Amino acid sequence: DAGVIQSPRHEVTEMGQEVTLRCKPISGHDYLFWYRQTMMRGLELLIYFNNNVPIDDSGMPEDRFSAKMPNASFSTLKIQPSEPRDSAVYFCASSFDSVNERNYGYTFGSGTRLTVV
Amino acid sequence: AQKVTQAQTEISVVEKEDVTLDCVYETRDTTYYLFWYKQPPSGELVFLIRRNSFDEQNEISGRYSWNFQKSTSSFNFTITASQVVDSAVYFCALSGDNQGGKLIFGQGTELSVKP
Repeated sequence: DAGVIQSPRHEVTEMGQEVTLRCKPISGHDYLFWYRQTMMRGLELLIYFNNNVPIDDSGMPEDRFSAKMPNASFSTLKIQPSEPRDSAVYFCASSFDSVNERNYGYTFGSGTRLTVV
Repeated sequence: AQKVTQAQTEISVVEKEDVTLDCVYETRDTTYYLFWYKQPPSGELVFLIRRNSFDEQNEISGRYSWNFQKSTSSFNFTITASQVVDSAVYFCALSGDNQGGKLIFGQGTELSVKP
């Protein structure tokens, strides 16, 4: 298994531009999470999905952020318009839920380093 | 509310020293899960261990060991005979049965192992 795949690895954009981050979870995983990592706030959960349905988006900072999961193998996190304070590393993670393996080893992607100038 | 506290922001040791990273958690869930992740300088998050709240057995994996104590709500991580390659940021994390699968992270401890 290739693990959780995120693209792009690095993104530099100008303030005001739209940014789209992509994630392909591990096949068979039914949970998908988007996290943001900054020096000031550490690792914070933005939103997560269960079976492609958004469950909790209370961590999304504001309306400029949106996330979708159109199918079990793909999710996007979009920022429109982007601002310099959005600069961070964005991680996608997936996991599966079963009686015996619940919450076992959430697997993280390599992250997307976003810089908004 | 769930919370994970890693009071040690930075630790610096010399190679071959033993080092313990502290983790204290808060949760109201009866069933919960504790994790440790390693983030090396390359930036990825590497899963190290998961522990269930109903299993307080300590675990050892090579030079790594974990001490889970429900009485003090702690899940500490010890590296024996540290090596330079252990230099990384280590995160403790918590997920509870009533939290819908959310994983809450501590602030991380940056470990620097000097030769």
